[in-house]
Amino acid sequence: DQQVKQNSPSLSVQEGRISILNCDYTNSMFDYFLWYKKYPAEGPTFLISISSIKDKNEDGRFTVFLNKSAKHLSLHIVPSQPGDSAVYFCAASLEYGNKLVFGAGTILRVKS
Amino acid sequence: GAGVSQSPSNKVTEKGKDVELRCDPISGHTALYWYRQSLGQGLEFLIYFQGNSAPDKSGLPSDRFSAERTGGSVSTLTIQRTQQEDSAVYLCASSLEGRSSYEQYFGPGTRLTVT
Repeated sequence: DQQVKQNSPSLSVQEGRISILNCDYTNSMFDYFLWYKKYPAEGPTFLISISSIKDKNEDGRFTVFLNKSAKHLSLHIVPSQPGDSAVYFCAASLEYGNKLVFGAGTILRVKS
Repeated sequence: GAGVSQSPSNKVTEKGKDVELRCDPISGHTALYWYRQSLGQGLEFLIYFQGNSAPDKSGLPSDRFSAERTGGSVSTLTIQRTQQEDSAVYLCASSLEGRSSYEQYFGPGTRLTVT
């Protein structure tokens, strides 16, 4: 039973445009959400997180939006750059827990 | 400083053999995690160590899997009598403390192939 779902296996975006990556979750107990980015042959690296008490968190070109009623979060990258091409994983947890539950990932390709 | 390191980077083994995967966490990090990523899947939690507390083994898929962490630092994940379904990338992560709000730093992973 997948508790965290990333329904788009891949996304292709033109350089300079917005990239929107989506994630849905089913466990209403989750109250902390994270996005990780992964390049080939490397481990995932932390990108941005959001607590359930917020609906938006911004860090430079990256913004995460959380819609608790819809159990949906999204990552916006503006403007997209070729170096953003990677696999993006959504993860969820209890804020005072320790285990992260990951989605299957979305491959983002930014074309120059 | 040095990040999380894992060895070997690649391991090919025959079905039925035992394998050991090693993880060196970031110095000073009290929490250590093992995940695995099967083809086309997300990262799956396996086991978690926090300081001297008993490990959380709730993610281990079978009793063929075990892990230990010696001296609060290096960890070894052992898979006995490997099966083809064990083929995956095994990732280790460490964090300053064992809460999700503390960033987990991942190693590059060990790609295990069971033939």
